[in-house]
Parts: sequence; structure tokens; C-alpha cells
Amino acid sequence: DSGVTQTPKHLITATGQRVTLRCSPRSGDLSVYWYQQSLDQGLQFLIQYYNGEERAKGNILERFSAQQFPDLHSELNLSSLELGDSALYFCASSVAEGFYEQYFGPGTRLTVT
Amino acid sequence: AQSVTQLDSHVSVSEGTPVLLRCNYSSSYSPSLFWYVQHPNKGLQLLLKYTSAATLVKGINGFEAEFKKSETSFHLTKPSAHMSDAAEYFCVALGNEKLTFGTGTRLTIIP
Repeated sequence: DSGVTQTPKHLITATGQRVTLRCSPRSGDLSVYWYQQSLDQGLQFLIQYYNGEERAKGNILERFSAQQFPDLHSELNLSSLELGDSALYFCASSVAEGFYEQYFGPGTRLTVT
Repeated sequence: AQSVTQLDSHVSVSEGTPVLLRCNYSSSYSPSLFWYVQHPNKGLQLLLKYTSAATLVKGINGFEAEFKKSETSFHLTKPSAHMSDAAEYFCVALGNEKLTFGTGTRLTIIP
């Protein structure tokens, strides 16, 4: 158990809908990272927050957004969902600001029908 | 540009025999390199990391990797495979604050 928690574990929704994925980092970690893992694209970095501020951006679509709250938990919002957004979404955390060793949560499996 | 190439998408070994998972990287910077393991329906777990100290890095569960700058390689090895090693393994490079994942190698252990 990495200490990173993600909810929900599974999510099934329809195209055009909006969902929110939640992540709680390990105690003491200030950085939160979001990743998308799909069969065709592999594992892709989406975005990083450090202590409430956006720190780095990867291949995140404009339909997606994230934030990190004062208690350091983070939410990833996915809107206008398309079939191709079906994937496993991971959250990871680390103590440092820059990319460093990260501890991954178990993931949220999103299925868009 | 930075890239990570995992040379084998699938590796099968018999239990008790050595494991070799190959990774080559390309980077304009001196990257930090990591190996992560992902068991079915689980998140990624850090196995080991190289950050410009010793070139031979020991990780958890008996795994180790050697950084070879001349070959731009960071291959993962284990002397004796165990059934619990069956998983997907990812080689990851961090250079100039850009994180690049390899496409993964699925390791199958034959009883």
C-alpha cells in the first residue's frame, strides 16, 4: 500500500458527461501528479500540482482540468467525455517539487459508453 | 527530445532463472532513470532509481539495474525469477523536468 488513495475505483458514464476523480496524497507529500494509462497511448503524464499551485503540464486536454486544495488532496475534472477517454487514471504523490520518486495510487478506471 | 525505448514488449522466463528487461534512453540531458513495476489492477510501484551516483543500483525484491552511459542503457536484472515477479515493468526517464515513460515490458514467469 503506497499511502495514496483514489476514489472512485471504477466509474462508468456516458459520452458528453463530466466526472471528477479524487486523490489524497501520502501524508507529508506536497506534490500530486495525474496520469492517464490507455492501451493505445500507454502511460501519459497529465499535470502536476505542488502545494496548491500548478507546477507542470503534460499531455492534458483542454476538456480536462485539475486542482489541489489546501488540505493537499487533488481532483481531476474530465468534461465532454468521449469514448477515447476511457482509461485508467492514476494519481501519484511525492514530497518534492520537481519530478522525483513518486508513489502511485491504485487508479480509477473510467469507462465511457 | 527525450525518449525511452523498452526493447521487449513481452519477456517470458522460467521460475528460478535470471530476468533481463532492456531499456535504452535518449536525452539531451543527464537523466535520472527509474524502473517501476505494475501488478495487475494495481498502481505503479518504484523498484529502483538512478540519479547520477553509483552506476549499479539495487532496488527492492532483488532487482538491480546498471546505468551504462556509453550504451545509453539502463537494463533491469534479477538473478532468480519468482512467480510474484509476473507484472508489467516500466522504464522512466526524467530530464530537464520532463518525465518520459517507456511502453512497458510484460514479464511472464513459467512455473
